[in-house]
Amino acid sequence: RKEVEQDPGPFNVPEGATVAFNCTYSNSASQSFFWYRQDCRKEPKLLMSVYSSGNEDGRFTAQLNRASQYISLLIRDSKLSDSATYLCVVRTAGRRALTFGSGTRLQVQP
Amino acid sequence: GAGVSQSPSNKVTEKGKDVELRCDPISGHTALYWYRQSLGQGLEFLIYFQGNSAPDKSGLPSDRFSAERTGGSVSTLTIQRTQQEDSAVYLCASSLEYGTSSYEQYFGPGTRLTVT
Repeated sequence: RKEVEQDPGPFNVPEGATVAFNCTYSNSASQSFFWYRQDCRKEPKLLMSVYSSGNEDGRFTAQLNRASQYISLLIRDSKLSDSATYLCVVRTAGRRALTFGSGTRLQVQP
Repeated sequence: GAGVSQSPSNKVTEKGKDVELRCDPISGHTALYWYRQSLGQGLEFLIYFQGNSAPDKSGLPSDRFSAERTGGSVSTLTIQRTQQEDSAVYLCASSLEYGTSSYEQYFGPGTRLTVT
């Protein structure tokens, strides 16, 4: 079983739609959580960190449920430029390296 | 300012040959990571360097893989006797680290390795 699991998608949504991605992690020692964005054939870039109380950055909202070991990302009012792969990322206690999910692909259509 | 740079951007090699991949981290970043990403897969950790500490090699898939970081800056990842399953994008990342705190990892554009 992978340490970080995501639905690979693709999610095809119209512009303006709200879309949610989910992610589960199996290691209870995980302590830091992130969403990265990766455009086609490009490197991953940090989208946002995920905090226990939930956090928002513009149209993006991230939630963490430690009891269920579950992370989510909500994108409101989708734009064409949001089309990318969204990577759920976890850092586990005692490890510096990040553990990545395989990503969820989003395609926003006009 | 300059980001993480990697070279070459693309490398095609024959099975059995050795390859060297280079990473130039952001100036001042003490931590450096190598990951690889196979088609349709998430990033897989390979090795981590932090300052003068011994590297964390726990992610290296076999003894054909090795890496070094000279002078706390540039790093090279070497793959000996390449196999077709080594074909992937090799990504380097760097970050600031102070004590037990880690900061955002910035990724380079990667080297796309194809073993024929």
